[in-house]
Amino acid sequence: TQLLEQSPQFLSIQEGENLTVYCNSSSVFSSLQWYRQEPGEGPVLLVTVVTGGEVKKLKRLTFQFGDARKDSSLHITAAQPGDTGLYLCAGDRTGTASKLTFGTGTRLQVTL
Amino acid sequence: GAVVSQHPSRVICKSGTSVKIECRSLDFQATTMFWYRQFPKQSLMLMATSNEGSKATYEQGVEKDKFLINHASLTLSTLTVTSAHPEDSSFYICSARETRNNEQFFGPGTRLTVL
Repeated sequence: TQLLEQSPQFLSIQEGENLTVYCNSSSVFSSLQWYRQEPGEGPVLLVTVVTGGEVKKLKRLTFQFGDARKDSSLHITAAQPGDTGLYLCAGDRTGTASKLTFGTGTRLQVTL
Repeated sequence: GAVVSQHPSRVICKSGTSVKIECRSLDFQATTMFWYRQFPKQSLMLMATSNEGSKATYEQGVEKDKFLINHASLTLSTLTVTSAHPEDSSFYICSARETRNNEQFFGPGTRLTVL
């Protein structure tokens, strides 16, 4: 299963800083989802984007789907310690059995 | 939101024994469920797709005779790790696909430790 490449792999920032996580692939996806996972738990869905160029906001989180539907980004404004976790993007490839292809993951640590 | 449960949450077993993990969609029906494996600090790797009433579809490199999947109802899929060995120790996560909007909702995971 081809993985989506996420960058950075690890990010440690202080509370109040802004950050952007990128999710890139050479494949086109019919939709792309972002999840956050905490240690010992399953991923929790944050958002689904389906239209090229789409931008969705969830409080301090802004998600964008690339025009060509091959990439996405997650921007967090004024990060808080509660944002700490593993962020995963996952794409649903067009023409497949709708299996999700998961990204390599970005581990975010927000300190006081 | 949709809720998916897994049981057990943790299991420790001896090498050579079999372990069954259950995945249930609590408030919706799921014709398709997925089983993933996650190693420490890594992303999720899809093991197999479980379809209600039919055989599971396994990803390349996943032994179907070792990881038995049964999807007997629209709300329950089970993964049985047969003749478990220490290298099977991992975090196993299931997800259920909601047919209304094709979103996947994940269970809380099962940590398997094989001694």
